[in-house]
Amino acid sequence: KQEVTQIPAALSVPEGENLVLNCSFTDSAIYNLQWFRQDPGKGLTSLLLIQSSQREQTSGRLNASLDKSSGRSTLYIAASQPGDSATYLCAVRKANFGNEKLTFGTGTRLTIIP
Amino acid sequence: GAVVSQHPSWVICKSGTSVKIECRSLDFQATTMFWYRQFPKQSLMLMATSNEGSKATYEQGVEKDKFLINHASLTLSTLTVTSAHPEDSSFYICSARDRRGPYNEQFFGPGTRLTVL
Repeated sequence: KQEVTQIPAALSVPEGENLVLNCSFTDSAIYNLQWFRQDPGKGLTSLLLIQSSQREQTSGRLNASLDKSSGRSTLYIAASQPGDSATYLCAVRKANFGNEKLTFGTGTRLTIIP
Repeated sequence: GAVVSQHPSWVICKSGTSVKIECRSLDFQATTMFWYRQFPKQSLMLMATSNEGSKATYEQGVEKDKFLINHASLTLSTLTVTSAHPEDSSFYICSARDRRGPYNEQFFGPGTRLTVL
């Protein structure tokens, strides 16, 4: 059974700093991995999706890397801003079948201090 | 990205009543939709997977007679919480898979906050 863990559970950093969020998964046989952002009381917003054949994806100040063999992914946020404060979730998908579900990590609650 | 909507965004009901939550894919057809439940400060818990025109597949421990799911069209799935009780109070999020893209990416609705008094 796939298990996804995110460390740390909570993180506070001063505005402007770069930071890294970690995601680890126990079964390396994945189809893809996604990083999501969730604001309090809201749904999920997809940030980046990395296919199993890819090593990284970038979008603006965000960069996600994937090391499938070691079961790890990182989300790098450059020049953090107060608006980046949210809970960040990673999720892995095992295969490309229509019914194949995402397995979510436990989340990292990020607070950017102005 | 594709857009998924939910209605209502929040609902308060009395214990014993039933509540229906709608999930719509606005600009794509979703043959597969997912329903999640989220408790405060916890991650998402998958409740069931629904396919258009067929019965939903429920996760272990989820009562199918209590959480009725109907996926009658390619753009609409509904979750009905029957005879709701205070312990059913939670944040319910739906998700739809967009098969147009190369990766069958999953998009999420904004969630519905259910409070049972």
